[in-house]
Amino acid sequence: DAEITQSPRHKITETGRQVTLACHQTWNHNNMFWYRQDLGHGLRLIHYSYGVQDTNKGEVSDGYSVSRSNTEDLPLTLESAASSQTSVYFCASSESGAQHTQYFGPGTRLTVL
Amino acid sequence: DQQVKQNSPSLSVQEGRISILNCDYTNSMFDYFLWYKKYPAEGPTFLISISSIKDKNEDGRFTVFLNKSAKHLSLHIVPSQPGDSAVYFCAASTSGTYKYIFGTGTRLKVLA
Repeated sequence: DAEITQSPRHKITETGRQVTLACHQTWNHNNMFWYRQDLGHGLRLIHYSYGVQDTNKGEVSDGYSVSRSNTEDLPLTLESAASSQTSVYFCASSESGAQHTQYFGPGTRLTVL
Repeated sequence: DQQVKQNSPSLSVQEGRISILNCDYTNSMFDYFLWYKKYPAEGPTFLISISSIKDKNEDGRFTVFLNKSAKHLSLHIVPSQPGDSAVYFCAASTSGTYKYIFGTGTRLKVLA
């Protein structure tokens, strides 16, 4: 069955370290998204991509970067982790061509100490 | 500036009764809306959608109503079941983009 996976599921890191969260989908979707979920803020868009080599900033992109070298993967990198980036991170993907449902991964809980 | 608002952080309903979750938006360009359900430690799962060309969409126990003039949508769950206890997010999008703006969520608790 096609799916979307995230790894690791839990991560603890220290302030200032570089961290990369992986997202992999097997639906062959062109569109991929990264969100963070925080209490009182819901899901906020960090970065998104509409295809290979395409990346775009979302509403809370500072301190994060993504790269899209193939259709299946959109890794999210925290260049220098900060305590404010402690959150639950969700990856999602959707088809292109029309407005389509986004399908979410199980999430990564990141703690920055 | 919150473009999509869910003003009720939580809601408790008796099993078998109707649950009504509300969502307001400010951007009149939004023309496609989704509702997601989220259980703890899981990713959000799609529930139901509605396009701005409709004012109602139904799927089993779930119905979404859209009032474009009021920039308001609501999700009705009838009858509510304990397994419906979760956080519900509404999300809005504009034609030509594939990204969604999400609300802050409403935690629904269905009491047995």
